Amino acid sequence: AQSVTQLDSHVSVSEGTPVLLRCNYSSSYSPSLFWYVQHPNKGLQLLLKYTSAATLVKGINGFEAEFKKSETSFHLTKPSAHMSDAAEYFCVVRNYGGSQGNLIFGKGTKLSVKP
Amino acid sequence: DTEVTQTPKHLVMGMTNKKSLKCEQHMGHRAMYWYKQKAKKPPELMFVYSYEKLSINESVPSRFSPECPNSSLLNLHLHALQPEDSALYLCASSQDERGLDEQFFGPGTRLTVL
Repeated sequence: AQSVTQLDSHVSVSEGTPVLLRCNYSSSYSPSLFWYVQHPNKGLQLLLKYTSAATLVKGINGFEAEFKKSETSFHLTKPSAHMSDAAEYFCVVRNYGGSQGNLIFGKGTKLSVKP
Repeated sequence: DTEVTQTPKHLVMGMTNKKSLKCEQHMGHRAMYWYKQKAKKPPELMFVYSYEKLSINESVPSRFSPECPNSSLLNLHLHALQPEDSALYLCASSQDERGLDEQFFGPGTRLTVL
């Protein structure tokens, strides 16, 4: 079975400082992992995905994530936060054992960016 | 065209009304999905359309009825909804029919049931 845990429900950073959003996963298979971002009252936008290629994955808007099998982690980082990064972030794992097309979402991490 | 569109953006309806939500994609994707998202929660899968058939999450009440007129359109018919059905309804699509690749989401329809 697959699952994903986002370790922080809320992260607050100052503009220009690094961002770290933590995600741990559990998977019986080689996992497919995603990070999505959702701005208020908007749909979800794919930031990046890991599908067993390079362990360091680069995404849009300067975000990247590193897949660490030994730590079962897939943390999202950005060197310098921008005000426009304030949003809800979801770590997601593909559910191979469940109904077709099922994504398992973490509970989300709200990122606040202070000026 | 690399997006999923949803109409309407906002919908207010009474408990006796019948309304429909519409979702469209022109990316040639072979699977489409409906999700329900309550405030401060992750999306919950309601329906999947792939291999030219609908798969239903059995926990979804029958007052929600999906319809797929063609491979690029997915509608959600609403009838006799309850106030607790108020939520953001998201549509998504993916290239792979087996759902093994990423999903692309639309902007959502904000539904309020009075």
